[in-house]
Amino acid sequence: EVQLVESGGGLVQPGGSLRLSCVASGFTFRTKWMHWVRQVPGKGLVWVSHVNRDGSARTYADSVKGRFTISRDNAKNTVYLQMSSLRAEDTAIYYCARGGEATLDYWGQGTLVTVSS
Amino acid sequence: DIVMTQSPDSLAVSLGERATINCKSSQSVLYSSSNKNCLAWYQQKPGQPPKLLIYWASTRESGVPDRFSGSGSGTDFTLTISSLQAEDVAVYYCQQHYTSWTFGQGTRVEIK
Repeated sequence: EVQLVESGGGLVQPGGSLRLSCVASGFTFRTKWMHWVRQVPGKGLVWVSHVNRDGSARTYADSVKGRFTISRDNAKNTVYLQMSSLRAEDTAIYYCARGGEATLDYWGQGTLVTVSS
Repeated sequence: DIVMTQSPDSLAVSLGERATINCKSSQSVLYSSSNKNCLAWYQQKPGQPPKLLIYWASTRESGVPDRFSGSGSGTDFTLTISSLQAEDVAVYYCQQHYTSWTFGQGTRVEIK
C-alpha cells in the first residue's frame, strides 16, 4: 500500500524558515517523481514544486521560486521542502504527492504551515 | 501558464441523477505525439487529501466506480457522475499536466 506521511509543519513568524518532510513507503521511491502541493483551508489546490527521480531536475511555482527548495534522499525514501523567507500568504496545508504514470496519483494527509506573528 | 477554469462553481443534484462538471484550459493540453490529453480529475472530501479519479482525460483510476467518466479533448473537458450517490458529495478539481501542473478552482457537488 502506497503511503506518504508529511511532517514538519507548524507556526512560524514571517521571514522565518521551516523544513517539511515526506516519508514514502509501499513503492520503489527512487523511480517516481515527487511533488508538493498546497491548499489554503477552504480554498483550491496550488502546485508548488516537483523533483525528478534522482533529484537532478526541480521546478517551482513562480510564487515560491527563490524561497523554497525541494530535495530528496532516495536512501531514506524522503522528499523535503525547505521553505525560507516565509510570508503570511504561504499559510496552507502542504501535501506531498507521487508522480504516477500520468500525473499526481497518491497524496499524503498533509501538514499545516501557519505563518503569523 | 495554462489557466484551468471550471464551471459551475457548485451544483446540487438529486440522488441518482446525473452531475456534469466542465473544465476549460486556456490552451490545448493535447500531446499530439501520443494523442493523449494531459488532463486529470480529482475528488476531495472534507478533511481528506485529493483522490485521483480520471487521468488522460478519460482513463478511470483503478478502483474508481464506473459511474465516474471523463471526456473531451484539446481545451474542453467534462467529468460526469452518471448516478449521484451520497458518498460523491465532494469538491472536484480538474488539473492539467501538459506544461507544469495547474488546477481548476474546484466545483462543489452537493445533494439537492
